[in-house]
Amino acid sequence: GAVVSQHPSRVICKSGTSVKIECRSLDFQATTMFWYRQFPKQSLMLMATSNEGSKATYEQGVEKDKFLINHASLTLSTLTVTSAHPEDSSFYICSARDGVSGGDYNEQFFGPGTRLTVL
Amino acid sequence: GQNIDQPTEMTATEGAIVQINCTYQTSGFNGLFWYQQHAGEAPTFLSYNVLDGLEEKGRFSSFLSRSKGYSYLLLKELQMKDSASYLCAVVDSNYQLIWGAGTKLIIKP
Repeated sequence: GAVVSQHPSRVICKSGTSVKIECRSLDFQATTMFWYRQFPKQSLMLMATSNEGSKATYEQGVEKDKFLINHASLTLSTLTVTSAHPEDSSFYICSARDGVSGGDYNEQFFGPGTRLTVL
Repeated sequence: GQNIDQPTEMTATEGAIVQINCTYQTSGFNGLFWYQQHAGEAPTFLSYNVLDGLEEKGRFSSFLSRSKGYSYLLLKELQMKDSASYLCAVVDSNYQLIWGAGTKLIIKP
């Protein structure tokens, strides 16, 4: 199956710093990538959808100036949490959809997630 | 609005069978996914249904009835490693995934 990697898997930072999370599709071209956030014992919350070469579409309530998303190539999307605060501590998961080589157009392949802790 | 309902938590015994239900009300329908998520890990794909009926894959089966807005995930011969959350997600008319809150399945020996 398709493989999606995320880096780093875990990050601890001080309040006020910025953190960049990378999401890569390793064996397919991801025309669309999704960024989710998951708080403990809650379901996935979609933050934004990014299409290669265009601006990301953010869900209601998600600050686009705080969560910067760049999808510059068909295999890489990055999420930058700017000026992170303790309330941003969460599990961030990316997923990617293979819209180029066919197959199940709707299936999303998930990365392993990044656990962010802001002190 | 869009809504996905599934039970919050279920308990079953090792070796038994369990059925996790999911009902949905969405703007359009382009398929339904079931994902498994162990604590602290990302979801992993289990099944995809877009037509009515039962899809069987080993110990796991998934059923869909589009007219009833209903799906279930059936797990047979339960093993301790099946203890996880099971997420139902529907693809709406905009090809966006609408997620249920997940069902935490607890397997007891």
